[in-house]
Amino acid sequence: QVQLQESGPGLVKPSETLSLTCAVSGYSISSGYYWGWIRQPPGKGLEWIGTIYHSGRSKYNPSLESRVTISVDTSKNQFSLKLSSVTAADTAVYYCARGGRDGYNRPFDSWGQGTLVTVSS
Amino acid sequence: SYELTQPPSVSVSPGQTASITCSGDKLGERYVCWYQQRPGQSPVLVIYQDSKRPSGIPERFSGSNSGNTATLTISGTQAMDEADYYCQAWDSSTGVFGGGTKLTVL
Repeated sequence: QVQLQESGPGLVKPSETLSLTCAVSGYSISSGYYWGWIRQPPGKGLEWIGTIYHSGRSKYNPSLESRVTISVDTSKNQFSLKLSSVTAADTAVYYCARGGRDGYNRPFDSWGQGTLVTVSS
Repeated sequence: SYELTQPPSVSVSPGQTASITCSGDKLGERYVCWYQQRPGQSPVLVIYQDSKRPSGIPERFSGSNSGNTATLTISGTQAMDEADYYCQAWDSSTGVFGGGTKLTVL
């Protein structure tokens, strides 16, 4: 059974870059599937950030696209999120998740436990 | 940008049927999925492709999608079903979530 685990700094200063990694176990990323990042501000709803395929092809939320980069490292079986020029509005629990096998437009069937990132000086 | 609208809250008595709606322009032409999120936990997929249940999801969860509205139905609602529920659809490979509905079982 696939498992996902987010890791990264829990505190980031305004204007800096948020960097998170999602380690995948129980499944080889290079075998396929799409992989995504979703976030949830405290007390609010879910927001899709972006999705990547093992080949490196990716799609991003248009509202974040200018600041987001998602990459994949098949040798380490992990994928990563970078969000630049962060503000307090980027404070949220960040989740990584597994998407579909055959396209971007598929549900996320396995999720990590989430990691809280706070943007504050 | 595409938007999905859910009621902020729905209440149901134990054993009764709960219905949570998700509205969007021509939503019936897209696949919709639903996630359950209990307090302090990660979301769990409960319905995909409008009406399919992943392995391990109880039969009391069902879904439909037509016109501009998708509906998640929970039959014989149990106390353990109290949670936030989110619908999701895709617009040109862009993921869109509804704002979420808090289901209260009282």
